[in-house]
Amino acid sequence: QSALTQPASVSGSPGQSITISCTGTSSDVGGYIYVSWYQQHPGKAPKLMIYDVTRRPSGISNRFSGSKSGNTASLTISGLQAGDEADYYCSSYTGSSTWVFGGGTKLTVL
Amino acid sequence: EVQLVESGGGLVQPGGSLRLSCAVSGFTFSSYWMHWVRQVPGKGLVWVSRINNDGITTTYADSVKGRFTISRDNTKNTLYLQMNSLRAEDRAVYYCARDGGSGSFDSWGQGTLVTVSS
Repeated sequence: QSALTQPASVSGSPGQSITISCTGTSSDVGGYIYVSWYQQHPGKAPKLMIYDVTRRPSGISNRFSGSKSGNTASLTISGLQAGDEADYYCSSYTGSSTWVFGGGTKLTVL
Repeated sequence: EVQLVESGGGLVQPGGSLRLSCAVSGFTFSSYWMHWVRQVPGKGLVWVSRINNDGITTTYADSVKGRFTISRDNTKNTLYLQMNSLRAEDRAVYYCARDGGSGSFDSWGQGTLVTVSS
């Protein structure tokens, strides 16, 4: 199973919005609602930010939102804050109880 | 509070074996599917394996199939990963993660580092 495709890096200034894309195929992202997004700060474990394409776990800011169109899912972060600077990973169910992650995107807050 | 604590990582020679453990607390372990995810330091996350709540069904990434075995002991609230025939490319931080019930990983441990080197 090939990793989902994410941009290596994105950047934005405080207060701005950024979007991270996650491209797969009809066998993963395009075929299921089970797309999720994770935030990982250096040296820390990943943290679930979005699940089922658009849903936020309890305690996650509404500045984080998810969407999907065809084989591409997206994570949008609005009102960028310094603490949002981290690596972000998408994940998708691929059928037959297997999963795949994206390669990760480094977000820099300028 | 949900807690997952991995242990068992360390240095092992190529071809060797290692068993990782993940002790959980703060939730009803026997009600959840569980996963192992690994990450080479500085690189991305890679899904490794999954086990259903009663331990009957398991799935693996192709890269570890036939070498790794996931299991669980619901009486001890512990998840395991038996790793055999280890290769240099298995070097990574291994995380256990709880399945949130919607194909997401909603809680993670802090990870345990496995190094495969002679």
